[in-house]
Amino acid sequence: QKEVEQDPGPLSVPEGAIVSLNCTYSNSAFQYFMWYRQYSRKGPELLMYTYSSGNKEDGRFTAQVDKSSKYISLFIRDSQPSDSATYLCAMSGRGTGNQFYFGTGTSLTVIP
Amino acid sequence: GAGVSQTPSNKVTEKGKYVELRCDPISGHTALYWYRQSLGQGPEFLIYFQGTGAADDSGLPNDRFFAVRPEGSVSTLKIQRTERGDSAVYLCASSLGAIWGETQYFGPGTRLLVL
Repeated sequence: QKEVEQDPGPLSVPEGAIVSLNCTYSNSAFQYFMWYRQYSRKGPELLMYTYSSGNKEDGRFTAQVDKSSKYISLFIRDSQPSDSATYLCAMSGRGTGNQFYFGTGTSLTVIP
Repeated sequence: GAGVSQTPSNKVTEKGKYVELRCDPISGHTALYWYRQSLGQGPEFLIYFQGTGAADDSGLPNDRFFAVRPEGSVSTLKIQRTERGDSAVYLCASSLGAIWGETQYFGPGTRLLVL
């Protein structure tokens, strides 16, 4: 079993839709949770960063962490064609090393 | 300011050859990471440097892979006797320090194709 599980999609939505992306994990030591966006043939770009449980909002993006369920989510409101990319969840924590553990990524296409 | 840069952006080589991939981190970042991303997968950790020393090389798949960071800035990932299975995107990331959970900033990657 992989440490971080993420549905690879692909996910296709119409412009303006609300998008929900999710990851589950198995290691209870994870405390830092990140969402990266990766455009085709580019490196991952940090989108959201959350420490421990709770919600964080930044513009059209909301990150949620539920440590009791080992489940994290990224919501995108009013999705735009420019949001079309692969979204990677990543996490780390004390005792897990300084590396980030990534999900496989979810490919999202927003159709104009 | 400049982000993480990686060269070359693409590398095509033949099975059995030696390759070097270079990473230039963000200025002032003391920690540097190498990850490998296969098609349809998320990045997988290879090695992490704090300063000049490799603090954790547990992700290197075998002894054909080696990385150095002699002056605590630029790093080179070296792959000997390349195999077709080494084909992937090699990503470099850097962070300001080595605190758990510190944000890692990624470069664009080097796409390695072994024929």
